Amino acid sequence: KQEVTQIPAALSVPEGENLVLNCSFTDSAIYNLQWFRQDPGKGLTSLLLIQSSQREQTSGRLNASLDKSSGRSTLYIAASQPGDSATYLCAVNNAGNMLTFGGGTRLMVKP
Amino acid sequence: DAGVIQSPRHEVTEMGQEVTLRCKPISGHNSLFWYRQTMMRGLELLIYFNNNVPIDDSGMPEDRFSAKMPNASFSTLKIQPSEPRDSAVYFCASSNERGGTDTQYFGPGTRLTVL
Repeated sequence: KQEVTQIPAALSVPEGENLVLNCSFTDSAIYNLQWFRQDPGKGLTSLLLIQSSQREQTSGRLNASLDKSSGRSTLYIAASQPGDSATYLCAVNNAGNMLTFGGGTRLMVKP
Repeated sequence: DAGVIQSPRHEVTEMGQEVTLRCKPISGHNSLFWYRQTMMRGLELLIYFNNNVPIDDSGMPEDRFSAKMPNASFSTLKIQPSEPRDSAVYFCASSNERGGTDTQYFGPGTRLTVL
């Protein structure tokens, strides 16, 4: 059974810092991996999707990498802003289009 | 497109009552997912439909839970009878699956409280 772990569980940084969120998974036979953002009381917004054949994806200040063999993904946020404050969730798609989610990293960016 | 629509947004009910949650996926999407989110267990997939057919319901916690998708634009998740431990946020998501490569789009969720 796939298990997804995110470290750290919570992170507080001053505005402008570059930061890295980590995601690890136990079963490397994945189709893709997605990073989501969740604001309090809201649904999930997809940020980046990395196919199993890819090593990274970029969108604006966000860069996600994937190392399938070691079961790891990182989400890099450059020049963090207070508006980046949210919970970031990593989700792995093993088979049948069903996602297994990590517990999330709660990010606070202080002005 | 309006995105995935869920109703109601909030539901408060008493133990033993029947609860029905509703979802309208994004038009043209062929896959629909129901998830449950709690503080203790995080986000868990309950059931997955493809072309209106249930593909995997192994995440449905017990027989009190049932889900239907009578057509491509509507799905329901029913809990009967409800229990306090069912209190959670229930999300519906949809995607246009092509071999497991496409993004899932989530609705705003229904916050269920069972007293």
